[in-house]
Amino acid sequence: AQTVTQSQPEMSVQEAETVTLSCTYDTSESDYYLFWYKQPPSRQMILVIRQEAYKQQNATENRFSVNFQKAAKSFSLKISDSQLGDAAMYFCAYRSAFQGGSEKLVFGKGTKLTVNP
Amino acid sequence: DSGVTQTPKHLITATGQRVTLRCSPRSGDLSVYWYQQSLDQGLQFLIQYYNGEERAKGNILERFSAQQFPDLHSELNLSSLELGDSALYFCASSVGGHPGTEAFFGQGTRLTVV
Repeated sequence: AQTVTQSQPEMSVQEAETVTLSCTYDTSESDYYLFWYKQPPSRQMILVIRQEAYKQQNATENRFSVNFQKAAKSFSLKISDSQLGDAAMYFCAYRSAFQGGSEKLVFGKGTKLTVNP
Repeated sequence: DSGVTQTPKHLITATGQRVTLRCSPRSGDLSVYWYQQSLDQGLQFLIQYYNGEERAKGNILERFSAQQFPDLHSELNLSSLELGDSALYFCASSVGGHPGTEAFFGQGTRLTVV
């Protein structure tokens, strides 16, 4: 079974600075998808960014980018120019790319990000 | 707004009772997923339906059941409730049929068992 580990329960960053959230995963599969979800106090789960394992290029979405290290099974999220609205719980998630199987997401425990003004 | 609607938003009930949580997926989405979020277990996958059929089961208790109706809305039934069932229950939907499709989450139902 796949597992996702987020080793930082809490992180803090100054507004306008850069922060990196860590995520490692364990799988025996070679093809899969990785995601970062944000959960603000409104509790809505919002997709931040996703990465296909077969793509070597790291995904980028505006101020959010990932560092995907497939051999190390590492998938960190970098937030640049942090804003107060970035304060939230961030969840790393894994999904198998096996077609015809479950499309479930396997989540890490989350990292609570605080942004200080 | 993700387009996924969950009702009710909050629910308080007593131990031993039965409740039904409802989810309306985004228009056009065939897959519905249920997740449970609790402080100790984190976000756990419960069950997935695709176009009315059960696709996958996760850590869903026997006291819990779900179904997806012809109009694609889904219900999660929780019975013989225990204090430990208190959690946030999320429904998500996607087009489905391919693991690369994005899952959109509803705002969740906060269940409190007293």
